[in-house]
Amino acid sequence: ETGVTQTPRHLVMGMTNKKSLKCEQHLGHNAMYWYKQSAKKPLELMFVYSLEERVENNSVPSRFSPECPNSSHLFLHLHTLQPEDSALYLCASSQDLWQGASLETQYFGPGTRLLVL
Amino acid sequence: KQEVTQIPAALSVPEGENLVLNCSFTDSAIYNLQWFRQDPGKGLTSLLLIQSSQREQTSGRLNASLDKSSGRSTLYIAASQPGDSATYLCAVYFSWGKLQFGAGTQVVVTP
Repeated sequence: ETGVTQTPRHLVMGMTNKKSLKCEQHLGHNAMYWYKQSAKKPLELMFVYSLEERVENNSVPSRFSPECPNSSHLFLHLHTLQPEDSALYLCASSQDLWQGASLETQYFGPGTRLLVL
Repeated sequence: KQEVTQIPAALSVPEGENLVLNCSFTDSAIYNLQWFRQDPGKGLTSLLLIQSSQREQTSGRLNASLDKSSGRSTLYIAASQPGDSATYLCAVYFSWGKLQFGAGTQVVVTP
């Protein structure tokens, strides 16, 4: 496997279910990100991790709970979601947190298409 | 608050025509600007990244320009092909770790 992988690729869940999304990066990067992409709307940054520490939580509801056990893996735990949470969830990584003049670019995974019924 | 707008939201052109995609941002205090491509149901692929000190970047048939003072970037794709059909996203780096995206332009190139 190379790059950034995400599993599952598709997920259907009920509002009372608990599920987890997994992201793995094989690039040796130190920073990882979760984004939400809803139909016809810009990508929204949800969480940022640097060296396994959360450095950004963009006013995301507590029904989304991230976990970063090591620099290669990032999880998004889901519980009691709402239908409006249906979206494409994208994971990304970069060598380090972008710092001003750095030319860091983020590498994206293919996403998990989530449908909440 | 940084806002990024992409116009048009959708575009259909016959094969061979040049594509012009526009991106505007409200706060000119950006660092870098990046153009991505997204195919249906897939993640994002980086096309071009322009540093704030640069005015353009080129890669093959792609050319992106940046005018910070007017808050605009334009992506040109020369001699379009059906394989160029995708959604093109513009994103600006305006703070550490923060990338603000536009909603994208959906492009269809017809044979």
